[in-house]
Amino acid sequence: QLQLQESGPGLVKPSETLSLTCIVSGDSVNRGPHYWGWIRQPPGKGLEWIATIYYSGSTYYNPSLKSRVTISVDTSKNQFSLNLTSVTAADTAVYYCARVDLIVVTIDCWGQGTLVTVSS
Amino acid sequence: QSALTQPPSASGSPGQSVTISCTGTSSDVGDNNYVSWYQQHPGKAPKLMIYEVNKRPSGVPDRFSGSKSGNTASLTVSGLQAEDEADYYCSSHAGSNKLVFGGGTKLTVL
Repeated sequence: QLQLQESGPGLVKPSETLSLTCIVSGDSVNRGPHYWGWIRQPPGKGLEWIATIYYSGSTYYNPSLKSRVTISVDTSKNQFSLNLTSVTAADTAVYYCARVDLIVVTIDCWGQGTLVTVSS
Repeated sequence: QSALTQPPSASGSPGQSVTISCTGTSSDVGDNNYVSWYQQHPGKAPKLMIYEVNKRPSGVPDRFSGSKSGNTASLTVSGLQAEDEADYYCSSHAGSNKLVFGGGTKLTVL
């Protein structure tokens, strides 16, 4: 059974870098036809797609975040990661990792989400 | 890339039907059939309910259906039940392997 689990600090200081990892079990990040990605949800607000990555290393970013975001995959550990630089309070959100079905372009599995608060 | 437009709220009584709209542009909803709908209960991760406009994953009741016309997609929930009360989000492929979500609709079962 596919499971995704986010890990990382729950509190990040303004101007610092937010780093999260998603550990994948029940599937391999090292094959298609799936992308692996990150979505976030500020408290009380809607969902926002951040980035997705294919096992080949191809990456796709939300244009509004592209200058601050890096997504990467570690096939040896079967996990993928998110780095978001120069964070502000506006980056406070629940961050979800997810699997994206490449063929039908839908998110077919979500992690439970992790709340990251940006505060000094 | 702008968010897709959804009504902030919708409601219906048990047993009734309710339809939630999701309006995009010719660059996303109107450009392909990769529209999905997600259900999110408070404090939980979203759950896929509809993909490719009108297909249901295994386990999703057939009370949930989807459609699309032009730049607007719709989710219809028939035979409303108490457990259908949740937030619903649409998403669409937005070209160049990008995704865009709607702002979400809070469905209340009266």
